[in-house]
Amino acid sequence: DTGVSQDPRHKITKRGQNVTFRCDPISEHNRLYWYRQTLGQGPEFLTYFQNEAQLEKSRLLSDRFSAERPKGSFSTLEIQRTEQGDSAMYLCASSLRGVGTRGDTQYFGPGTRLTVL
Amino acid sequence: KQEVTQIPAALSVPEGENLVLNCSFTDSAIYNLQWFRQDPGKGLTSLLLIQSSQREQTSGRLNASLDKSSGRSTLYIAASQPGDSATYLCAVRPSGGSNYKLTFGKGTLLTVNP
Repeated sequence: DTGVSQDPRHKITKRGQNVTFRCDPISEHNRLYWYRQTLGQGPEFLTYFQNEAQLEKSRLLSDRFSAERPKGSFSTLEIQRTEQGDSAMYLCASSLRGVGTRGDTQYFGPGTRLTVL
Repeated sequence: KQEVTQIPAALSVPEGENLVLNCSFTDSAIYNLQWFRQDPGKGLTSLLLIQSSQREQTSGRLNASLDKSSGRSTLYIAASQPGDSATYLCAVRPSGGSNYKLTFGKGTLLTVNP
């Protein structure tokens, strides 16, 4: 257990429905990341927050995707009008800006597995 | 665009064997490189992080090396155990500015047979 939690762990939905995932980072971590991982691939970066500010978004994040991090604590990732191609594991990670080798280490949560029927 | 390649894609070894996993990246302008372990259906566990100025890091039976100029890293696992069976991923973070996103390889699926 890395200390990063995600909810739900599994989500099955029908095409066209909206879904929302939540990530709770390690409490003192000011940076939060979302990645997506499909079967047999490594994770791909989606977006990144420093405190409550969303500083970067990947081109993978279409208009149907939105992420928030109110108050710089937990984060939510919403997918509207889901498509079968959205089926993947959605991973959240957090890190703390600091000195030394551990300061930049990203700690990952267990992921949310989304299946779109 | 950074590309990360891991070889081999899968590896099966008998218990007790020492083994090496390889990772290569196309752009040597990296800030650090991280090795992760992923069990089936689970999230990622960070194993080792090597800063660009470092040559290697060690943790227990694991040793990771980095040759930034040639774009290569290796993860050495000594005296492998069945519990080491998992997918091992390497990821690089680019240098410069506030770019914190990691670029991952596809991973090496390791099976250690009792």
